[in-house]
Amino acid sequence: QVQLVESGGGVVQPGVSRTLSCVASGFRLSESGMHWVRQAPGKGLEWLTLIHYDGSSKYYADSVKGRFTISRDNSKNTLYLQMDSLRPEDTALYYCAKGGRFYDRIDFWGQGTLVTVSS
Amino acid sequence: AIQMTQSPSSLSASVGDTVTITCRASQGIRNDLGWYQQKPGKAPKLLIFAASTLQSGVPLRFSGSGSGTDFTLTISSLQPEDFATYYCLQDYNYPLTFGGGTKVEIK
Repeated sequence: QVQLVESGGGVVQPGVSRTLSCVASGFRLSESGMHWVRQAPGKGLEWLTLIHYDGSSKYYADSVKGRFTISRDNSKNTLYLQMDSLRPEDTALYYCAKGGRFYDRIDFWGQGTLVTVSS
Repeated sequence: AIQMTQSPSSLSASVGDTVTITCRASQGIRNDLGWYQQKPGKAPKLLIFAASTLQSGVPLRFSGSGSGTDFTLTISSLQPEDFATYYCLQDYNYPLTFGGGTKVEIK
């Protein structure tokens, strides 16, 4: 069955960097676009970024453009999110989510990893 | 960025009721819209994609409609397990954007 397992969350100080990982199983990562979505405590969902199945295209929300970088290693079945210059408002549960090769909709979500930015 | 306005932000309903949630896009998005259900402490789950196509395994009491700028999620005969928060997501263009969510509570 499809599984997405995120890791890398924790408590970090403002201004530092952090990299999240998402290990995929149960499907061919190399044939799926992949997203990161976050949810601040008690708030709604915020789409952050998408990388196409072959890594050829990447898209970002304005709120993270220039600070966050999405990447993938299909040989390791792993998706990454490098987060630089973290701010308190980046505190959220970060979800890895699966799309498709020929569509951008999200059809499956991981359980998320919590990032808390606080001094 | 396309703005997705979802309404209502919350509603109270009883088991067996029919509830309707709407999403309005700030510009036309064809039918590139999905609906997601999120229960407390859980990841969201895809219910409907392409505005009206039911995801595999989702009960038939869920239905979606709309095209262009106005979309509707209808839950017929509300069940206890349907009390949750629902979100729309447009995947017409980048950045993808979610509606603000609708919390469906027990009356």
